[in-house]
Amino acid sequence: QVQLQESGPGLVKPSQTLSLTCTVSGGSIGSGGHYWSWIRQHPGKGLEWIGYIYFSGGTYYNPSLKSRLTISVDTSNNQFSLRLSSVTAADTAFYYCASGPTWTHFDFWGQGTLVTVSS
Amino acid sequence: DIQMTQSPSSLSASVGDRVTITCQASQDISNHLNWYQQKPGKAPKVLIYDASNLKTGVPSRFSGSGSGTDFTFTISSLQPEDFATYYCQQYDDFPFFGGGTKVEIK
Repeated sequence: QVQLQESGPGLVKPSQTLSLTCTVSGGSIGSGGHYWSWIRQHPGKGLEWIGYIYFSGGTYYNPSLKSRLTISVDTSNNQFSLRLSSVTAADTAFYYCASGPTWTHFDFWGQGTLVTVSS
Repeated sequence: DIQMTQSPSSLSASVGDRVTITCQASQDISNHLNWYQQKPGKAPKVLIYDASNLKTGVPSRFSGSGSGTDFTFTISSLQPEDFATYYCQQYDDFPFFGGGTKVEIK
């Protein structure tokens, strides 16, 4: 059973870059077979898919975030990461990492981490 | 972008009730739709994939139907543990979630 754990700063200043890492256990990113995604949820609101990466490094991003977004993978440490640049208060949200054998739905989720954008 | 209109945004129901939630896509998405349950403070859990397929381990009181633009999610007999928020999610282009339906105790 794949387990996911998000980590990173809980507070980011406006205009700076939000960086989060998802550590995977119970499965190997490098062995392929899963898509590794980031999803966020503004407090009290709905869900927004951010993007995914495959073990080969191939990515697919939400068009609304694409210009500010980088998702990368570190197979040696079994982690994948999110970088979102030029953040504003609108990027304050719970950020989840998630995965599944297809990109079409999300079987495994981290517990989520709240990132607040504030000076 | 394909927009998803989920309704109602909230409902009140009693244990044992039949509950129905709908999701309408702004264009034909075939059967490219999933349903999730989210409880407060927890990550979502996928219940139904490809419009009508029940994920392994999910109780059979949950079901989904539809194709094209109109989809339905049903709980045949609401149980105490089912009070939660439910989301549809299409994947015809990129994954996009509906606005959610909060199922509350009547």
